Amino acid sequence: ELKVEQNPLFLSMQEGKNYTIYCNYSTTSDRLYWYRQDPGKSLESLFVLLSNGAVKQEGRLMASLDTKARLSTLHITAAVHDLSATYFCAVWGNEKLTFGTGTRLTIIP
Amino acid sequence: NAGVTQTPKFQVLKTGQSMTLQCAQDMNHNSMYWYRQDPGMGLRLIYYSASEGTTDKGEVPNGYNVSRLNKREFSLRLESAAPSQTSVYFCASSRDRIYEQFFGPGTRLTVL
Repeated sequence: ELKVEQNPLFLSMQEGKNYTIYCNYSTTSDRLYWYRQDPGKSLESLFVLLSNGAVKQEGRLMASLDTKARLSTLHITAAVHDLSATYFCAVWGNEKLTFGTGTRLTIIP
Repeated sequence: NAGVTQTPKFQVLKTGQSMTLQCAQDMNHNSMYWYRQDPGMGLRLIYYSASEGTTDKGEVPNGYNVSRLNKREFSLRLESAAPSQTSVYFCASSRDRIYEQFFGPGTRLTVL
């Protein structure tokens, strides 16, 4: 069974700081997705990572994939308040997409 | 394009009542999914339809049934609602199963 673990589960950070969210998974996969969810809203697709070494960037967010380490990271640079949300990674493996339990990110002014 | 739409947005049921959640997508996607989201549990797959005419159980199918009405529409039915089915339900679709999924706005269901 594919297991997907995110850490931390909760993260409070000050505006302007940098931080990284980690997504570890238990079986071989080269297809990983990152989503964002605002409170009371749906999931919005952020990044699609399809190969080892893939790196995608959008504004202050950058995602990378290391398939050998079975690890993806979501790096936040110089955080701003509107990045406050819950972030999910999802990994394709064993013929299904498995979601992590999410990281709730709060940016403090 | 509306993307993925769901109705209703909110629903309150009494234990034992039945209801159907509707989902439609206009992206010509082959695959559609129903998830539930509960605090601290992430997203759990209830049922999916890999292509028109097929449906399969996901992680938590008990108490639910689905119908893939056509390529666009995928409904979720609760035959006899239970308080344990209180949750937020999301429908999603993707070009095929391995591709990025796009989510609807969700249905917040409370079973009393």
